[in-house]
Amino acid sequence: DIQMTQSPSTLSASVGDRVTITCRASQSIGLWLAWYQQKPGKAPNLLIHTASTLQSGVPSRFSGSGSGTEFTLTISSLQPDDFATYYCQRYNTYPFTFGPGTKVDIK
Amino acid sequence: EVQLLESGGGLVQPGGSVRLSCAASGFFFSGHVMNWVRQAPGKGLEWVAAITGSGSITYYADSLKGRFTISRDNSKNTLYLQMQSLRAEDTAVYYCAKVGAAYSDYWGQGTLVTVSS
Repeated sequence: DIQMTQSPSTLSASVGDRVTITCRASQSIGLWLAWYQQKPGKAPNLLIHTASTLQSGVPSRFSGSGSGTEFTLTISSLQPDDFATYYCQRYNTYPFTFGPGTKVDIK
Repeated sequence: EVQLLESGGGLVQPGGSVRLSCAASGFFFSGHVMNWVRQAPGKGLEWVAAITGSGSITYYADSLKGRFTISRDNSKNTLYLQMQSLRAEDTAVYYCAKVGAAYSDYWGQGTLVTVSS
């Protein structure tokens, strides 16, 4: 199976910071990658699909890029509501696999 | 408005079985693939299973094949996950999710399954 990794595992940042999270696949997955945000005790929320397409209703400070095996999620100016854990997930072939997550906390 | 409401979780003894349900509303249920995803306490997300809109094709995480069965009743707009031979490591919040174009675009609030004696 294709494995997914994320870096860093934890990221400490301040409001207003530009934040970048990296997701890597063990083999090419094209553009079949999604990013989710999850807050404690809540279900995940879809932010981005197809590597760079912003889901409806998601603030434009979130952006995604990449293809093949390397992808990034960028938050252009971190807001208080953005402190959460972020997961990437590939969906090119079953079984779909999530990355281990990146926790963004307050510096 | 899309709504997904899971139920059926609770305390289960090791080796036991449980069936989770996910009641769906607000979209054309039979037209969408549905997923189950789980999350052990303090851990990351783990994709569990998927089922096509008609229910004719199912997919499973390799580690769960043979113990878990995903199914659906389109007449009731309900998704199911039958889990058997449960182990402590199956303790998790189980989420159902509607699939858009292969990615999960709407999620339920989850139901907690605790496997313990």
